Amino acid sequence: DGGITQSPKYLFRKEGQNVTLSCEQNLNHDAMYWYRQDPGQGLRLIYYSQIVNDFQKGDIAEGYSVSREKKESFPLTVTSAQKNPTAFYLCASSIENFSGNTIYFGEGSWLTVV
Amino acid sequence: AQKITQTQPGMFVQEKEAVTLDCTYDTSDPSYGLFWYKQPSSGEMIFLIYQGSYDQQNATEGRYSLNFQKARKSANLVISASQLGDSAMYFCAMREATPDMDSSYKLIFGSGTRLLVRP
Repeated sequence: DGGITQSPKYLFRKEGQNVTLSCEQNLNHDAMYWYRQDPGQGLRLIYYSQIVNDFQKGDIAEGYSVSREKKESFPLTVTSAQKNPTAFYLCASSIENFSGNTIYFGEGSWLTVV
Repeated sequence: AQKITQTQPGMFVQEKEAVTLDCTYDTSDPSYGLFWYKQPSSGEMIFLIYQGSYDQQNATEGRYSLNFQKARKSANLVISASQLGDSAMYFCAMREATPDMDSSYKLIFGSGTRLLVRP
């Protein structure tokens, strides 16, 4: 079945370590997105990518990095520069001019700093 | 500046009654789309309903309807005949065009409303 796969579901990180969250889609979507969600809060855009080898900063890009070497993959690295990384991370993908139910979300990854 | 505002952090509704979740937005783009999502405790994002800025009629999807008042820039979600399974976080979101790429869009979210349905 087509969809978005995020891994791992749960991840623990020691302070000072970089971690990478995986996001893979087989929907042939051009656009992919990473959101951060803190408890009881809305989703905030970290990075987005409209095409391969190109990506744009969202509202809270500091302390994060991404790559888009393949259309189906958009990994997010949470670097040690991100001072408060404990959160729920959601990946999404869409066609370029999406409307209705044409943006798809992964099941999310819970990151905890220990 | 905040583009999507949901002023109700939490709401209660009695089972089988209707409830309205508020959403106001701000954009200067004449072409935009408005979305509502449901997020249960599992974290998944469930699409509920969509309204395009040029749509003449309010969108409806089963028990969900969107009260779209363009001049007031509001897009309230109405859930009729509430069920216990409706208890969740609800997010309003807006698709806007990015300023630097004509055919590219990003989706921005409000802070959400937690709905609890009482039996």
